[in-house]
Amino acid sequence: SAVISQKPSRDICQRGTSLTIQCQVDSQVTMMFWYRQQPGQSLTLIATANQGSEATYESGFVIDKFPISRPNLTFSTLTVSNMSPEDSSIYLCSVGRNGEKLFFGSGTQLSVL
Amino acid sequence: RKEVEQDPGPFNVPEGATVAFNCTYSNSASQSFFWYRQDCRKEPKLLMSVYSSGNEDGRFTAQLNRASQYISLLIRDSKLSDSATYLCVVNEDNFNKFYFGSGTKLNVKP
Repeated sequence: SAVISQKPSRDICQRGTSLTIQCQVDSQVTMMFWYRQQPGQSLTLIATANQGSEATYESGFVIDKFPISRPNLTFSTLTVSNMSPEDSSIYLCSVGRNGEKLFFGSGTQLSVL
Repeated sequence: RKEVEQDPGPFNVPEGATVAFNCTYSNSASQSFFWYRQDCRKEPKLLMSVYSSGNEDGRFTAQLNRASQYISLLIRDSKLSDSATYLCVVNEDNFNKFYFGSGTKLNVKP
C-alpha cells in the first residue's frame, strides 16, 4: 500500500479565508483524487488531480473555489478558498495504485467559523 | 438514483454474531468492487476487494452478484473491534471513477 501524508490534520478557520491542504505520497502514483466527507455522510469526489495539467472537477465543484495543484507524481495540494461554514468537512486525499485500489490520507478536518 | 446504495443501519449485534451487509449498484458496466472500513473520524481503509468468484479473508466473506448488481459482506463471529462504518465502493471507467455508498454502521456490543 502507498504511504500518504496529509496535512494539516485539522484546522479551524475564519470565514472568508483560504486553507491549503497538502498531500505527499511515498512513491509515484498515477491517480490522485480529492474527496470531501461532510458530517454523517459518505465521500464525494471533488476532483481528480492531473499531473502537469488542470484538475478534472466533478459536478458542483469549480476551480475558483477549490484550486488544485499537482506539480509531480507524488504531491498535490487542494485549496479551499473564501471559506464559509458550509465548507466545514473532512477533506481526504486519495491515490490509485496499480489502477485498482484506492488508498487514503488521514484526512483534514476543517471547521469554518 | 444513487450509483451505490447501502442500508445505513445501524446494525446492533452481540459479540459472536454473524452479520451481513448488502450494497446495490446501478451501472451494470462497473468494473471493480470493494469494501472499506471507516472508523469514527478516521480515513477509510481497504477491507477487501470483491471478486466474481467471491473471496474470504478470515471472518470476512465478500460476494458479488453481477446479475442482480449487488455485493455483500458477511462478518462471522463479530468482535467489538468490528464496530465501524462499512463503505461499499464501486469502480467504473477504467479506475478513474470510484463511487461510494453512504456506509453501513455496525455496532458490536458485549
